[in-house]
Amino acid sequence: DTGVSQDPRHKITKRGQNVTFRCDPISEHNRLYWYRQTLGQGPEFLTYFQNEAQLEKSRLLSDRFSAERPKGSFSTLEIQRTEQGDSAMYLCASSLASGRRNTIYFGEGSWLTVV
Amino acid sequence: GQQVMQIPQYQHVQEGEDFTTYCNSSTTLSNIQWYKQRPGGHPVFLIQLVKSGEVKKQKRLTFQFGEAKKNSSLHITATQTTDVGTYFCAGVMEYGNKLVFGAGTILRVKS
Repeated sequence: DTGVSQDPRHKITKRGQNVTFRCDPISEHNRLYWYRQTLGQGPEFLTYFQNEAQLEKSRLLSDRFSAERPKGSFSTLEIQRTEQGDSAMYLCASSLASGRRNTIYFGEGSWLTVV
Repeated sequence: GQQVMQIPQYQHVQEGEDFTTYCNSSTTLSNIQWYKQRPGGHPVFLIQLVKSGEVKKQKRLTFQFGEAKKNSSLHITATQTTDVGTYFCAGVMEYGNKLVFGAGTILRVKS
């Protein structure tokens, strides 16, 4: 499978614990995005990278959230001191930006439940 | 802030009826993308529209991008039960790089 892959697919954690999600984008894609989606809502933008540079972060991304893409390939999203409100599906997406065409492909998501 | 509004929120149709969902942006878009998400699944890319007034068809699905590049629509002709899911539009703002999603339209098809 050459699509966007995410790991783990499901994570249940206790409030206050740290969690980390990993995303492997489509191999030739230079942009990588993180989104969050809760039930009944559309995905909300969190942050994106162009190669290894983090170019934009949403105000939704509190200081408990940190994302990295150290070598411009895979990315990690870490949530520290999780809260129940962090329960959501965390979606990673990637694209190969070229002019106005920037088709963005999503992974299957990582479901987080904070208990 | 940048907003993408999508209506209706929910539509329940009889199999064979048509379905349309509409998307409006508060600002001019560079491009718009449409996604379908099944319950428990992830957004699956359907199409991207870039040009003003562009119309694209995929079998029973017709996608339009408005002349002002601020609105778009998805029309499904003769719905089938396999069309059920949530349809999202998502726009990339001019001079922007991220997708801003609408809230989605949930389609249910009664056979």
